[in-house]
Amino acid sequence: QVQLQESGPGLVKPSETLSLTCSVSGGSIEFYYWSWIRQSPGKGLEWIGYIQDTGRTSYNPSLKGRVSISVDMSKNQISLKLAPVTAADTAVYFCARHLIAARHQDGLGVWGQGTTVAVS
Amino acid sequence: QLTQSPSSLSASVGDRVTITCRASQGISSFLSWYQQKPGKAPKLLIYAASTLQSGVPSRFTGSGFGTDFTLTISSLQPEDFATYFCQQSHSTPHSFGQGTKLE
Repeated sequence: QVQLQESGPGLVKPSETLSLTCSVSGGSIEFYYWSWIRQSPGKGLEWIGYIQDTGRTSYNPSLKGRVSISVDMSKNQISLKLAPVTAADTAVYFCARHLIAARHQDGLGVWGQGTTVAVS
Repeated sequence: QLTQSPSSLSASVGDRVTITCRASQGISSFLSWYQQKPGKAPKLLIYAASTLQSGVPSRFTGSGFGTDFTLTISSLQPEDFATYFCQQSHSTPHSFGQGTKLE
């Protein structure tokens, strides 16, 4: 079955760019929506944004235009960039696939294990 | 915006528990419930307010429409002690509730 694996630097300096990759195995990026979500230490979940396989995106306005999500079909990867970062961006970052193909309304059915990023 | 209650809940094995999620505006049935255990990613339990995700035990049920939703666990099992989140996908941002820790 499809599996997701997040990767990227575990430490980023303030004002720099956080870059993460979500590698998809056991399935294709095609036909699905893909989201990034983060969870600050001891806090709840924050939806960052999603991307459709066509490249159409939607972002959380709370991130004030600092975020960009892209897809690389040839590598079967989804990428997240967040800049500039502050200590408030310290969190575990998850990528997830929406449950039903071609729909973003039905919850997140497959999740990666998450990757911890500290801004310091 | 989603408001979950309670923020924490103490219960025992075999108990029936209910968690509530209230949306600040109508979201039809675009509401999902997740279970999260420490150090793990959330797991989808319920989508479309009341549809049980494949492989999830039938003791979990969801209900609601519009602004008021509930997740009920009919008979708590030891593995159910975790944190539960609701999420709306009616409109972006696809916000989450603040979570309910079941102890």
